[in-house]
Amino acid sequence: DIQVTQSPSFLSASIGDRVTITCRANQGISSYLAWYQQKPGKAPKLLIFSASTLQTGVPSRFGGSGSGTEFTLTISSLQPEDFASYYCQQLNSYPYNFGQGTKLEIK
Amino acid sequence: QVQLEQSGAEVKKPGASVKVSCKTSGYSFTSYYLHWVRQAPGQGLESVGIINPSTGGTTYAQSFQGRVTITRETSTNTVYMELSRLTSDDTAVYYCARYLTMFGADYWGQGTLVIVSS
Repeated sequence: DIQVTQSPSFLSASIGDRVTITCRANQGISSYLAWYQQKPGKAPKLLIFSASTLQTGVPSRFGGSGSGTEFTLTISSLQPEDFASYYCQQLNSYPYNFGQGTKLEIK
Repeated sequence: QVQLEQSGAEVKKPGASVKVSCKTSGYSFTSYYLHWVRQAPGQGLESVGIINPSTGGTTYAQSFQGRVTITRETSTNTVYMELSRLTSDDTAVYYCARYLTMFGADYWGQGTLVIVSS
């Protein structure tokens, strides 16, 4: 199975900050990586697929990059609605494992 | 519009089975895989299994092999996930999600809380 390691687990930041979350796969997965945002009590929401393609309707302050084994999610200027948990998911081969998650909190 | 409507919360005793449904609408049922994902309280997301509604073919995560069965009913555009021999570790919210192969889950159900308690 392909394992994905996400860091950090917790991130404290302020409105307007630029933040980066990293996801590493234990073997190459090309660009088959997605990022999700999840708010308490809600289902995850797809933000980015194919490592860097923004899902329709997702604000342009979200960006993804990487290929192979290392990937990043960047939020260029944090807004109040961005404080949530974020997960990466590899989609190269089943099981489509998720990273452990990053909880983004207001400083 | 695309919708995935899941069945309601369940409370089960250890050793019992649970069957959760996911009724889809607003798109071609056989054109997208359906994925079941669970989330234990305060924890991350865990893949349970996936089904190709066109063929009925399934793949299950290793940790659920032998305990989970995912089926579909094409007449009602509904997918089912049955989990047997429940333990307290199976207490979680179970989500169904529509998958674009290789691209991720673009639509999710609202989640079904399954509580396993004696």
